[in-house]
Amino acid sequence: QVQLQESGPRLVKPSQTLSLTCTVSGGSIGTDGYYWSWIRLLPGQGLEWIGYIYYSGSTSYNPALKSRVVIATDTSKRQFSLNLRSVTVADTAIYYCARSRNYDSERDHWGQGTLVTVSS
Amino acid sequence: QSVLTQPPSVSGAPGQRVTISCTGSSSNIGTGRDVHWYQHLPGTAPKLLIYANTNRPSGVPDRFSGSNSGTSASLAITGLQAEDEADYFCQSYDLNLGVIFGGGTKVTVL
Repeated sequence: QVQLQESGPRLVKPSQTLSLTCTVSGGSIGTDGYYWSWIRLLPGQGLEWIGYIYYSGSTSYNPALKSRVVIATDTSKRQFSLNLRSVTVADTAIYYCARSRNYDSERDHWGQGTLVTVSS
Repeated sequence: QSVLTQPPSVSGAPGQRVTISCTGSSSNIGTGRDVHWYQHLPGTAPKLLIYANTNRPSGVPDRFSGSNSGTSASLAITGLQAEDEADYFCQSYDLNLGVIFGGGTKVTVL
């Protein structure tokens, strides 16, 4: 059974870079042919897709965030990461990592989520 | 402002049927893209409820069903139970925006 777990700082100052890691257990992120996503739940709003990385290393990002986002993998550690630079208070959210078989398909496994607050 | 529009809330008494709409456009649901549904309780991981419009993963009760038509999709919960009180989100794919979600609907069991 695949499990995902987010980790990283819970508090980030405005203008700095938000960095999170998702550790995958029970599966390989470098060979199994899945897409690995970052998604966030904004306070009082809905879910927002941030981007994904394919097992081959190719990426796709939300156009609204594309200029600030980088998603990368470390297959040896069974991890993929999110870097979101130049954050503002509007980036305060619960951040989730998730897996899907195709870029447009359902996210069938999710992490528990981690609340990241942007504040000085 | 989410690309997919959902009602903020719906409610029903135990045993009743409720439906949640998810309205998109000609650049997403209207192109035939699949719609998926998730159930979310605060502090937990979103749970996949319906995938590819009408399919239930193993373990999801058949009280939950999905349908779609044109540029919209719907999630129906029949025989509403107290444990169904949660937030529900729809997801699809947009030609220009990528993966998109609805704003979420809070289901309250009266």
